[in-house]
Formats: sequence, structure tokens, C-alpha cells
Amino acid sequence: QKEVEQDPGPLSVPEGAIVSLNCTYSNSAFQYFMWYRQYSRKGPELLMYTYSSGNKEDGRFTAQVDKSSKYISLFIRDSQPSDSATYLCAMRQLMNTGFQKLVFGTGTRLLVSP
Amino acid sequence: DARVTQTPRHKVTEMGQEVTMRCQPILGHNTVFWYRQTMMQGLELLAYFRNRAPLDDSGMPKDRFSAEMPDATLATLKIQPSEPRDSAVYFCASVSGQGLSGNTIYFGEGSWLTVV
Repeated sequence: QKEVEQDPGPLSVPEGAIVSLNCTYSNSAFQYFMWYRQYSRKGPELLMYTYSSGNKEDGRFTAQVDKSSKYISLFIRDSQPSDSATYLCAMRQLMNTGFQKLVFGTGTRLLVSP
Repeated sequence: DARVTQTPRHKVTEMGQEVTMRCQPILGHNTVFWYRQTMMQGLELLAYFRNRAPLDDSGMPKDRFSAEMPDATLATLKIQPSEPRDSAVYFCASVSGQGLSGNTIYFGEGSWLTVV
């Protein structure tokens, strides 16, 4: 079983829809939770970053973390065609050696149609 | 506009050939990562350097892969000999410090490798 599970999609929605993207994880030592966006043939770029359980909002994006359920979500309001990309969740654990262990989900491909 | 630069962007090679991928991290970033991305496995960490020293390369097949940082402005990932199963996108990423407290990890645009 992978440490981080993410539905690969694709997820197709019409413009203006609310999008919900989710990841589950098994490692309770993960401390930091991130969402990356990756456009086609580009590298991932950090979208949002959270540490604690609860919600964090940034414009049309809301990241939600539920550590008790080991579940994180990214909500996109008023989705736009420019939001069409692959969204990867990532989780980070600081090891005793000082090494940061960063584990990514496989990504969910989102398609927003005009 | 600071960015991580990777070369080559695309490479098609025959099985058995040596492949070298290069990365120039963002100036001042002392932590460098190499990741491999495939449809099935997603992003997998291959190697991790801090201040040019390798901290972890447990994700890298040791028999054919090697990673080095000859200097602070260059990281290399070498595959010798290459195999078709190595076909993937290889990403380099860099961050300043230990990357804690939300320091953003910046990814390059990737080296797209096809081994035939």
C-alpha cells in the first residue's frame, strides 16, 4: 500500500463548478501538507501549504486537513478552464537525521470545460 | 525570474547508452532533489543533496544510476546503461535551507527521457 493515495481521475467539470480533490495517507508522522499544480509538460508548482488540521483559504482555493482521518482535500471554487492541470498532494515528514521525506500522490488530472 | 534549469529537455536514446541529465538549481539554494515521474508511480524521490553532500539516495537503483553535485551550481543524474523501463520524466528541484516552514521547493521543467 502506498503511503499517499490519490485518485488519478480525470475529473471533468464545467466552468464555474466547485471542484473537490482528495488524498488519503497512512503515515501519521507526516507534518506538512501541500498541494502542487502541474500543467502539461511543466514541473509541479506549489499551490498551497498547510501544517495543522483545519482549513486554509487562498482566493478560490481552500486546503483542508483532517489529521484524525488522515485525509486532505483541495477545493476550487468558480473553476476556470485555466485551472485544467494535474493536482498533486504532497506530504512531508522530518526524519531524525534531519532529512525531509517528501511523498507525493500520483496526481489527479482536472479538466474544466468552458 | 529565478528558476531551476534542466538539460536536456528531451532525450531519445537506445537501450544500453549512457544518459546524463543536468540541473542548475536556483542561485543560493543549497538543497537539491532529483525526482522521477511516471504515470504509474507518480513522483518518486531518487536523490537528495544538501550543501552538495548526498543525504539520501535510497530511491535510486544503485547499479545503473548515479547522482553528483560537482559544484553548487550543477547537479547531475547519470544512467549507465539505460533501459526502456527508465523512460520517464526526471525532475530536479531546489530549496533554500532545509525546506522547512513552508520554504517553497522549486521544480525545473523536467528532462523527458525515452529509451528505445
